[in-house]
Amino acid sequence: NAGVTQTPKFQVLKTGQSMTLQCAQDMNHNSMYWYRQDPGMGLRLIYYSASEGTTDKGEVPNGYNVSRLNKREFSLRLESAAPSQTSVYFCASSIQGLKEAFFGQGTRLTVV
Amino acid sequence: KQEVTQIPAALSVPEGENLVLNCSFTDSAIYNLQWFRQDPGKGLTSLLLIQSSQREQTSGRLNASLDKSSGRSTLYIAASQPGDSATYLCAVYGSGAGSYQLTFGKGTKLSVIP
Repeated sequence: NAGVTQTPKFQVLKTGQSMTLQCAQDMNHNSMYWYRQDPGMGLRLIYYSASEGTTDKGEVPNGYNVSRLNKREFSLRLESAAPSQTSVYFCASSIQGLKEAFFGQGTRLTVV
Repeated sequence: KQEVTQIPAALSVPEGENLVLNCSFTDSAIYNLQWFRQDPGKGLTSLLLIQSSQREQTSGRLNASLDKSSGRSTLYIAASQPGDSATYLCAVYGSGAGSYQLTFGKGTKLSVIP
């Protein structure tokens, strides 16, 4: 069972570059999420999609955009990367909001 | 704003010992509480989900309890093994605005010494 799959696993960007983090789940879940994890800050929600066709801001949305491409896929885009966006990014999904969440393996992003 | 605290930040125990990890939250109006483990450089693995109407949940050697009125949850690990070494994270869903957001504690790093 693949569960939640994130690509890439590692990425180094230069300041100002753009990139898209990809996430796909095969559990037929309705809700999907993007979190970032920083030392000393814990995990914080960037954006979420309660269901296909909807997206909403989380706690730290500035500098990011998202697309719910279909029920399986939820992408996170950095339009102009900044060193403050150096972090580990996790995608998660749940059958619906407020239910058990399942996480991917993470993308380690470094912006230099 | 909901805040989740996990104490201690790190814990080291000998193999075979029973242990308790603590989680406290400031707003008792939560919907669900979920415990995760995270291995170094890896993602989060869901261990247990306790719904707000439940008092406890068990899975194998793990038992999680929830006391909403006091804003506390505990994760009990029986007969600890070196393979249990990881960081354990507690997270809560609120019941109001922003309730789609899991609010995480910073975790307890557990080391089980053979």
